[in-house]
Amino acid sequence: AQSVTQLGSHVSVSEGALVLLRCNYSSSVPPYLFWYVQYPNQGLQLLLKYTTGATLVKGINGFEAEFKKSETSFHLTKPSAHMSDAAEYFCAVRRRGGSQGNLIFGKGTKLSVKP
Amino acid sequence: EAQVTQNPRYLITVTGKKLTVTCSQNMNHEYMSWYRQDPGLGLRQIYYSMNVEVTDKGDVPEGYKVSRKEKRNFPLILESPSPNQTSLYFCASRHGGAGMGQYFGPGTRLLVL
Repeated sequence: AQSVTQLGSHVSVSEGALVLLRCNYSSSVPPYLFWYVQYPNQGLQLLLKYTTGATLVKGINGFEAEFKKSETSFHLTKPSAHMSDAAEYFCAVRRRGGSQGNLIFGKGTKLSVKP
Repeated sequence: EAQVTQNPRYLITVTGKKLTVTCSQNMNHEYMSWYRQDPGLGLRQIYYSMNVEVTDKGDVPEGYKVSRKEKRNFPLILESPSPNQTSLYFCASRHGGAGMGQYFGPGTRLLVL
């Protein structure tokens, strides 16, 4: 069965510092990979996704993520944090082939940005 | 404006009183899903639908029912709610293949007393 692990339920960075949010998946075949962001009292919004091709993907708001098959990872980064990045971030995977409806989420990482 | 809408946004009910949370999307998406979000557990999929009259269970389907009679609507039904169904519920939809991202509704916060 597929699973997603996000290391660190809370991450705190200073404004202007590097943001690194970790995501590892377990799957015999690399799945489709997604990062979503949830701002307080809102629904989730897609940040970026990896389906095929280039392993470094760029998303909205300056975020990017790199798919590393050998490490089964899809870590999210942003070079310089902004106060508006404070939110909860979810990594998610969907299996390739078979039933394509099931999306598995990690438990989320809450990002705090200090002035 | 492309959107997923849910109603109601907030609901307080009592154990055993049947309720329905509606979900509607205006993007002609084939796929629709329901999730529940609980602190420390992230989002877990309840049910999903690949098209009209085609639904399947997600990871936590017990105590829930769904139907997909029209492409735009995907209501979530709790026949006999219990306190352990107190949660934040999200509906989502997407178009096309499995590599597509989803559009999420604003959420429905349910409290079952």
